[in-house]
This record gives sequence, C-alpha cells and structure tokens, in this order.
Amino acid sequence: QSVLTQPPSVSGAPGQRVTISCTGSSSNIGAGYDVHWYQQLPGTAPKLLIYGNSNRPSGVPDRFSGSKSGTSASLAISGLQAEDEADYYCQSYDSSLVYVFGTGTKVTVL
Amino acid sequence: QVQLQESGPGLVKPSETLSLTCTVSGYSISSGYYWGWIRQPPGKGLEWIGSIYHSGSTYYNPSLKSRVTISVDTSKNQFSLKLSSVTAADTAVYYCARGWELAGWFDYWGQGTLVTVSS
Repeated sequence: QSVLTQPPSVSGAPGQRVTISCTGSSSNIGAGYDVHWYQQLPGTAPKLLIYGNSNRPSGVPDRFSGSKSGTSASLAISGLQAEDEADYYCQSYDSSLVYVFGTGTKVTVL
Repeated sequence: QVQLQESGPGLVKPSETLSLTCTVSGYSISSGYYWGWIRQPPGKGLEWIGSIYHSGSTYYNPSLKSRVTISVDTSKNQFSLKLSSVTAADTAVYYCARGWELAGWFDYWGQGTLVTVSS
C-alpha cells in the first residue's frame, strides 16, 4: 500500500555520496506534510534518521541530511561507510488520514 | 530512556483474532504522544495499522479499519492491538512505536514481533 516511491537500490563506494529520492503526490508531500526518514539494519526495527524534512535526532551523524521540494524529498548520505548498508524508508502523511511509507531503498556499500 | 516491547502469540489461525500488547517503559503513556502499530510482511515494506492518543482517541488505516481495534491501559502503561479475521496476508513483523504528533514521525520503536497466520 506504499504511496511514496523510492528507488529499489542505490550503491556507492566508501567515502562517496549517495542520494535516495522519495516521490509522493499532491495529497501527501505536495500537500505540505513533512517527510521523515528511517534506517533499518538487517533484522532490526526501523530507527528514526531524519524528522521534519531535514532535522537529525540526537546521535545521528551529520553525514545524513534531508530535503524536500514540491511533491518529493531526498535523503543524502555523504562519506558513505560500511555501517550505512541498510534499508531506508521515507514516511509522510496523506490527506486520506493515513501515515504513508515509501517503498524502501536498499543501500549497498561497494 | 523510552523503551517499547511487543508481546503476544507468534502463531494465529486463519479467521481468528490477532492480539498484541505493547509495554512502554521510561515514559508514562498518560503524559502524552500518539502510540502506534506498524507492520512489515517478510521481505516487504512498512504499513501503518493505526494509532491511539493518550486520551484514547483512535486513528486507523482505512484499509484495515473494519478489522482493527487499538486500546490503551494507562494503569499498566500498555496499549494493545486486535486484528480480526486474519488471513495469511496478515503474516508480518508487528512493531509498536511512539508517534511524536498526529501526522508526524515515530521516534521510538519496539523490536518487533513476528506473527504468522497459519493453520
């Protein structure tokens, strides 16, 4: 039931910068609802990575940054590290009164 | 430190009711925030099931609304999920989480519990 579209996978070498897109519509991201990002390491629960489009919770490295524009949002990981290999999900809210998640993106560190 | 822990049967028969409880420690549910349930079928993405405000107001995913009930027991600092008439499609890891605000983000999550629907 994902209504936010993400690329299935992205990859990069250690130290490189990768970006993950999250595309919504006029009823969710485009309606002004904030976008949040989660990191899910294998076999673990999602962990809040970015909230309110671009804010990092305490303890999240500043290598992670978020932005939003129009009906889309992006997560950037700079200085990619082996420990960043995980699944990443965006999340927003929809005018149909539903919390919506992205389809998920697997980040591979080459 | 806020911690959430899911508990309940790991196996439920088709057509029966799935029941899970989330026990919260490190924060009193009655003090505020929204408390939600999210699930993830094996190998798939995340789906919001519903949330409850500390006062008892509930918010459900329309796709599941007819089968879902979420309740809160502030005396035990717990909130619960009931999902009726389950099928194999309801097999998933079920997470409980704290919602910062309505339409906001989930900042603390439980470790998740796998519920399999099978006879």
